[in-house]
Amino acid sequence: EPEVTQTPSHQVTQMGQEVILRCVPISNHLYFYWYRQILGQKVEFLVSFYNNEISEKSEIFDDQFSVERPDGSNFTLKIRSTKLEDSAMYFCASSGERDRGEQYFGPGTRLTVT
Amino acid sequence: AQTVTQSQPEMSVQEAETVTLSCTYDTSESNYYLFWYKQPPSRQMILVIRQEAYKQQNATENRFSVNFQKAAKSFSLKISDSQLGDTAMYFCAFMKHQGGSEKLVFGKGTKLTVNP
Repeated sequence: EPEVTQTPSHQVTQMGQEVILRCVPISNHLYFYWYRQILGQKVEFLVSFYNNEISEKSEIFDDQFSVERPDGSNFTLKIRSTKLEDSAMYFCASSGERDRGEQYFGPGTRLTVT
Repeated sequence: AQTVTQSQPEMSVQEAETVTLSCTYDTSESNYYLFWYKQPPSRQMILVIRQEAYKQQNATENRFSVNFQKAAKSFSLKISDSQLGDTAMYFCAFMKHQGGSEKLVFGKGTKLTVNP
């Protein structure tokens, strides 16, 4: 069964460093998303992406964040200068059918900023 | 803005018994989807069940079923014949139905423990 994959599973970085989180969505999906979950809290929407551009972004998704689909398979989230409060689980999701609404999540990347 | 409320932070149930998890939401939209996602200790989010707001019939997926009350804006999840593998965080989520890349709005989750 097709699934969303994410790498790395765990990333440790120092405050101020840039990180890139990688996702490979399900191959025939067209809509891509990033969510984050700070430990013990609810899952929060960051950004959605369709047709090579951002469709919607939340207040969390400030100028330090960017997304890219550099080729036909990868979808990346870049944080330019990480802060301690960026420590969280980051989930990538994809969906393929406009009218069904189902988003399929990857296993997540745990980002720890020290 | 839409909000999703799960009023039960934690619940427990004995194996083979039935448990119901509550969810209420607030929206001015008339057409939307509702979902239950399961997050086991492995942390991966797994779609459990989906309901379209325009459908009156409650969705069912094997041992999982929902009680969707549109007027009351209530969307509870019933798990029958609970199994140890059902132990997980359960998140209720809302999505507007406009076609395209709509975001999911999640509740805070209910931690369900199934006891042997």
